[in-house]
Amino acid sequence: DTGVSQDPRHKITKRGQNVTFRCDPISEHNRLYWYRQTLGQGPEFLTYFQNEAQLEKSRLLSDRFSAERPKGSFSTLEIQRTEQGDSAMYLCASSSDGTRYEQYFGPGTRLTVT
Amino acid sequence: AQTVTQSQPEMSVQEAETVTLSCTYDTSESDYYLFWYKQPPSRQMILVIRQEAYKQQNATENRFSVNFQKAAKSFSLKISDSQLGDAAMYFCAYLTQGGSEKLVFGKGTKLTVNP
Repeated sequence: DTGVSQDPRHKITKRGQNVTFRCDPISEHNRLYWYRQTLGQGPEFLTYFQNEAQLEKSRLLSDRFSAERPKGSFSTLEIQRTEQGDSAMYLCASSSDGTRYEQYFGPGTRLTVT
Repeated sequence: AQTVTQSQPEMSVQEAETVTLSCTYDTSESDYYLFWYKQPPSRQMILVIRQEAYKQQNATENRFSVNFQKAAKSFSLKISDSQLGDAAMYFCAYLTQGGSEKLVFGKGTKLTVNP
């Protein structure tokens, strides 16, 4: 069990560019979550996958954001036409059906939009 | 919609002493989970303790315990024998028993442990 991993850990991009983040959940976990955390705030839910199906999306997930989990394993979060307000820590978490109440978090990807 | 409120932006405690972090929440549901997560500086968030709403007994995990008051919608975390490694942001979080899978977090309390 290597834990939830995220790549990259840090990303600096210019406004208007597209960025993609990757999350690898704990291997036996079929549930995967994305959260966004801005400075001084708690994480805010973005979206949830059960296996490859995206079952829940927050209103925070604007049409510039898209998440995928094509084979029910790793997931990607893409932000198109980044804005300065997108600067935040993007956290991924995973859990299993039997222990849905225990979400294990990754180290996060810190995005800075200049 | 559920909300979680942490009214203490910062707290400090002397090493080996006890500190209590406060959390209140708002919900119309009867079945749910409550959590305390710890986020050390530049490190990932880890689960400290979990409480199921249907359980009257307060959860404990070693030096960490909660005071769950369901009627008052209060869920405080007590850290006994505080250690330097307890210094972190602490987040209170809510998860519904059914329906949504999202954790709802408070804004956090920054805990400083003084040697």
